[in-house]
Amino acid sequence: DPKIIQKPKYLVAVTGSEKILICEQYLGHNAMYWYRQSAKKPLEFMFSYSYQKLMDNQTASSRFQPQSSKKNHLDLQITALKPDDSATYFCASSPHWGGNTGQLYFGEGSKLTVL
Amino acid sequence: AQSVTQPDARVTVSEGASLQLRCKYSYSGTPYLFWYVQYPRQGLQLLLKYYSGDPVVQGVNGFEAEFSKSNSSFHLRKASVHWSDSAVYFCVLSGGGGNNKLTFGQGTVLSVIP
Repeated sequence: DPKIIQKPKYLVAVTGSEKILICEQYLGHNAMYWYRQSAKKPLEFMFSYSYQKLMDNQTASSRFQPQSSKKNHLDLQITALKPDDSATYFCASSPHWGGNTGQLYFGEGSKLTVL
Repeated sequence: AQSVTQPDARVTVSEGASLQLRCKYSYSGTPYLFWYVQYPRQGLQLLLKYYSGDPVVQGVNGFEAEFSKSNSSFHLRKASVHWSDSAVYFCVLSGGGGNNKLTFGQGTVLSVIP
């Protein structure tokens, strides 16, 4: 059974609308992350959270807002959607934020298409 | 700035053949290097990691990788591939800072022909 659940797996949105990507992890980890993979680009880091606190933000646009209601949840709200936001968004977690182990556990991704 | 380059977008090999997936990195300090694999309909999984010491590191399922500081490379190898190795392989760099902010290569799609 997957230990990191992302919902929905696929979604289509219209330009200007708003969507929320859901992520829940059942690994007991304290750190969670969002990564994005746009077409023909590598996965890129977006956010990291530790104990529900934002630790790092590499996303320039304020249209992307992570939301952590529980320690094992890290949702991603995207407002005023643009076609360039089309990508697969991966949620990940690790036991702790620090340590630089590089060992993250990834969900299967949510593929967003903005028309 | 740090970067990772995987020069081969797609690699096709026959089952039982040997495999090398190439990876070059750019980083001014001491890199932490990883290979991740994504099987169809699954999340990314760590295959192996290099922090320091012996430049050849072993991973799961018979994979190994060799770190070369002089060549800025971290190539992945396997002596004999199986059809179940078909997947997307990502070379990944962590440049320090202790924050698990990973830099990914583009990925190489490996197809193993039975």
